[in-house]
Amino acid sequence: DIQMTQSPSTLSASVGDRVTITCRASQSISSWLAWYQQKPGKAPKLLIYKASSLESGVPSRFSGSGSGTEFTLTISSLQPDDFATYYCQQYRTFGPGTKVDIK
Amino acid sequence: EVQLVESGGGLVQPGGSLRLSCAASGFTFSSYWMHWVRQAPGKGLVWVSRINSDGSSTSYADSVKGRFTISRDNAKNTLYLQMNSLRAEDTAVYYCARDRGDSGYPIDYWGQGTLVTVSS
Repeated sequence: DIQMTQSPSTLSASVGDRVTITCRASQSISSWLAWYQQKPGKAPKLLIYKASSLESGVPSRFSGSGSGTEFTLTISSLQPDDFATYYCQQYRTFGPGTKVDIK
Repeated sequence: EVQLVESGGGLVQPGGSLRLSCAASGFTFSSYWMHWVRQAPGKGLVWVSRINSDGSSTSYADSVKGRFTISRDNAKNTLYLQMNSLRAEDTAVYYCARDRGDSGYPIDYWGQGTLVTVSS
């Protein structure tokens, strides 16, 4: 199976900051990558699919980019509701997650 | 409104069995691939299994292959996960989830999850 890594594992940021999370695949996965947000005790929420397509209803401050083996999720201006854990995923493999907490 | 409601979780002894169910509503269940994803306490998401829209094709994580069986009843709009030979490491919240339909298994709807605890 393809392995997925994420960096950083934890990110401390302030409201208004621009935040970037990186996901790397062990081999090329074209653009078949999704990003999720998960808050404690809740199910994950789809943010981005096909690497850069914004899921309906997701705020436009979220964006995704990349192809092949390296991908990024960017939050252009961090909001209080965005403090959560973020996961990338392709097919049967999820990344280990990036926790975004308050600086 | 799309809804996925899991049931069937609980406490089971190692070596035991459990069947999870997921009742789907608000969409044409028979048109969508479905998944089970689990999350151990304090850990990340782990994909478990998927089934295609008519139930003719299934796939499993290596960690559950031969022990878990995914199935569906499109007439009842219900997804199942039969779990046998359960181990302590199977302890997790199990989510039923709908595949968005694009390559890569993006999941656009998730249930609230049901907790399975394997312990003596």
